[in-house]
Amino acid sequence: GNSVTQMEGPVTLSEEAFLTINCTYTATGYPSLFWYVQYPGEGLQLLLKATKADDKGSNKGFEATYRKETTSFHLEKGSVQVSDSAVYFCALRTDSSYKLIFGSGTRLLVRP
Amino acid sequence: DTGVSQDPRHKITKRGQNVTFRCDPISEHNRLYWYRQTLGQGPEFLTYFQNEAQLEKSRLLSDRFSAERPKGSFSTLEIQRTEQGDSAMYLCASSLESTGEDGYTFGSGTRLTVV
Repeated sequence: GNSVTQMEGPVTLSEEAFLTINCTYTATGYPSLFWYVQYPGEGLQLLLKATKADDKGSNKGFEATYRKETTSFHLEKGSVQVSDSAVYFCALRTDSSYKLIFGSGTRLLVRP
Repeated sequence: DTGVSQDPRHKITKRGQNVTFRCDPISEHNRLYWYRQTLGQGPEFLTYFQNEAQLEKSRLLSDRFSAERPKGSFSTLEIQRTEQGDSAMYLCASSLESTGEDGYTFGSGTRLTVV
């Protein structure tokens, strides 16, 4: 079946460090891929998306590239800030359904 | 527009009681979704409406769960005879059909604790 696997957290970094959060997926066809972020006490927010192979999604300094050959959509940021501390969820939506399938989330803690 | 609103934010109930949650989507959004999120896990799909029609239900949605969207605007999710395993965050989201690729707008959720 369709699924998303994320690296386990928490990921703890110092401010201005480089961030990678790994995400791989299993899906039939050509899914759309998403990263959502959940700040403490808030709802999930769409961070970025990519809808086809080799697309790069980007927002707020975060980037992720849709790699079909490795079925991956890793999230990266060159220099994290304390305000980036949150839980990050990788998700997919297949082209035959409207529902999102989420990974288990990765908590990021950024220390000053 | 204030986004997707969910009410209540928190609900504590005794096992065996019935509970009902409400979701008010973004006004022009015709699609509405319910998800459930347990601690340390990602959200799991429960059900989906397009306008007032319930088009898909997850196998997670047992007979004790029922969702409605009577006028294609707000939606309610009812859980009958609650069990401790129902304790979770219940998330509502909405989207506009023509912008489905942009993902959803989520509400802040209703946290249910069954004691």
